[in-house]
Amino acid sequence: DAGVTQSPTHLIKTRGQQVTLRCSPKSGHDTVSWYQQALGQGPQFIFQYYEEEERQRGNFPDRFSGHQFPNYSSELNVNALLLGDSALYLCASSLLRSYEQYFGPGTRLTVT
Amino acid sequence: AQRVTQPEKLLSVFKGAPVELKCNYSYSGSPELFWYVQYSRQRLQLLLRHISRESIKGFTADLNKGETSFHLKKPFAQEEDSAMYYCARHCYGGSQGNLIFGKGTKLSVKP
Repeated sequence: DAGVTQSPTHLIKTRGQQVTLRCSPKSGHDTVSWYQQALGQGPQFIFQYYEEEERQRGNFPDRFSGHQFPNYSSELNVNALLLGDSALYLCASSLLRSYEQYFGPGTRLTVT
Repeated sequence: AQRVTQPEKLLSVFKGAPVELKCNYSYSGSPELFWYVQYSRQRLQLLLRHISRESIKGFTADLNKGETSFHLKKPFAQEEDSAMYYCARHCYGGSQGNLIFGKGTKLSVKP
């Protein structure tokens, strides 16, 4: 089991563009959470998906949206990119009732 | 809003010295607290959680409800302990999601 995988590893976008990040959860996990980690900060919760629905959402604008597929993989979409969206985006998977989350390696997004 | 505070951005100790990484949380009921670690060029991983009361890699952490603290301790630091350490608490519902993280403390263990 490769654990949680994310793609791409790095991404450079221009202000105003749109981006899609992908995540495959650890085998057997049904819940995916997304976090944004700005430089020098701890991860900040964006949203969580379970059974293809958004269950919880953090304080992020509607420009951030997501999706979960029947195979539990997930996408994070960000529209109208701002310079401030530059960060490491982490995906974490878990079982719904479990406290323990397994993190992926992250996608480094740079907005120029 | 619930908060997790790690007052030290950087902690530098010599090999064999005791280490304590501080974590304080805002009070709200019975918190579920965790320490996550990120070694250089590796992913964030769970180090320990207070509910299991176990010792991982020689690290322990005790929940002190009176002081709302969950400090991470190790009696004798090793060079391989050098990493970023994040304290986190589980949050039930609300807009802050499942895990609220502190800003992290970088531990540097010198030979």
